[in-house]
Amino acid sequence: DAGVIQSPRHEVTEMGQEVTLRCKPISGHNSLFWYRQTMMRGLELLIYFNNNVPIDDSGMPEDRFSAKMPNASFSTLKIQPSEPRDSAVYFCASRQQGNQPQHFGDGTRLSIL
Amino acid sequence: TQLLEQSPQFLSIQEGENLTVYCNSSSVFSSLQWYRQEPGEGPVLLVTVVTGGEVKKLKRLTFQFGDARKDSSLHITAAQPGDTGLYLCAGDTSGTYKYIFGTGTRLKVLA
Repeated sequence: DAGVIQSPRHEVTEMGQEVTLRCKPISGHNSLFWYRQTMMRGLELLIYFNNNVPIDDSGMPEDRFSAKMPNASFSTLKIQPSEPRDSAVYFCASRQQGNQPQHFGDGTRLSIL
Repeated sequence: TQLLEQSPQFLSIQEGENLTVYCNSSSVFSSLQWYRQEPGEGPVLLVTVVTGGEVKKLKRLTFQFGDARKDSSLHITAAQPGDTGLYLCAGDTSGTYKYIFGTGTRLKVLA
């Protein structure tokens, strides 16, 4: 099993640019989560999907952030326009069903200059 | 306001020592998880506790869930350099398996 795959692993871009982060969950998992991790705020849940449907997006910071899951094997998190305060490590995780463990990807380290 | 407070924030100890880290909240959790995260990687689940007073052991690691299900502790016996990492607790308050993560304890075990 390849695990949760995130791309890119690192992204450096200038403020104002659009950023798209990608995630491929583990095959057969029907829940997908996007998190953001910073030293100041720790690991924060941004949004999660069940069966490709967004269930809770209350953690999404503002309208500049959007997430989609067009099918069971792919999700994107988009920031437009990006700002320096968006710099963080963004994690994707997937889970088979409610009481099963979440499996995290290795994250995307995002730096907005 | 952070829902889950972990202490200490940082801990540096010598190989062979014992240690305990804590996860505290004013909220009641239907379940609580502990993760370990190493640099450049995502968190990896160590254990899930669901019953008040529950104790689980994973080799040299002992996890306890408070009787009131508001707090938890992780005790490591005879720490080794391989235990180095960020330890995170995560609690589910709603019974929907949506977990809120704590502030983390960064552990360094020196050889």
